Amino acid sequence: AQSVTQLGSHVSVSEGALVLLRCNYSSSVPPYLFWYVQYPNQGLQLLLKYTTGATLVKGINGFEAEFKKSETSFHLTKPSAHMSDAAEYFCAVSDPLYSSASKIIFGSGTRLSIRP
Amino acid sequence: NAGVTQTPKFQVLKTGQSMTLQCAQDMNHNSMYWYRQDPGMGLRLIYYSASEGTTDKGEVPNGYNVSRLNKREFSLRLESAAPSQTSVYFCASSELGGLYYEQYFGPGTRLTVT
Repeated sequence: AQSVTQLGSHVSVSEGALVLLRCNYSSSVPPYLFWYVQYPNQGLQLLLKYTTGATLVKGINGFEAEFKKSETSFHLTKPSAHMSDAAEYFCAVSDPLYSSASKIIFGSGTRLSIRP
Repeated sequence: NAGVTQTPKFQVLKTGQSMTLQCAQDMNHNSMYWYRQDPGMGLRLIYYSASEGTTDKGEVPNGYNVSRLNKREFSLRLESAAPSQTSVYFCASSELGGLYYEQYFGPGTRLTVT
């Protein structure tokens, strides 16, 4: 069965510093992987997704993630943090057993705080 | 284009009361979903509807029922609310079923059961 592990429930970085949010997955088949962001009191919004092809995926707001099959990882990075990046971030993997719907398994989330 | 809308935004129920959470999307999506979000547990799928006229159980369906009223609307009903159902509920939709399609989320309903 698919699963997603996000290392660190809370990450704090200084404004301008590198953001690194870690995600590892387990999957019995080649996965489709997603990062979603949730701003306070809002629903989730897609940041980026990996399906096939290039393993480095660029998303909105300057974020990118790299699919590393050998490490079963899909870490999210941003070179320079902005105060507006403060939010909760969820890594997710598609579950191929549910082919009739886009069933996505979410990680438990990482809350990103930005220090001035 | 409002995307995915949910009503109400907030609700407080007493144990044993019933209520229906409403969800509508205007993106002509085929698939719709209901999730609950609890601290430290991410999102868990309650029910989903792959297409109009079909519904299926997700990971945590007990205590809930759903209705896919038409292509636009997908409602979630709590027949007899329990404190364990205190949560934030999100509705989502996707263009089609399958692995490739991302989901679009509504703003959520914050439910408290006392």
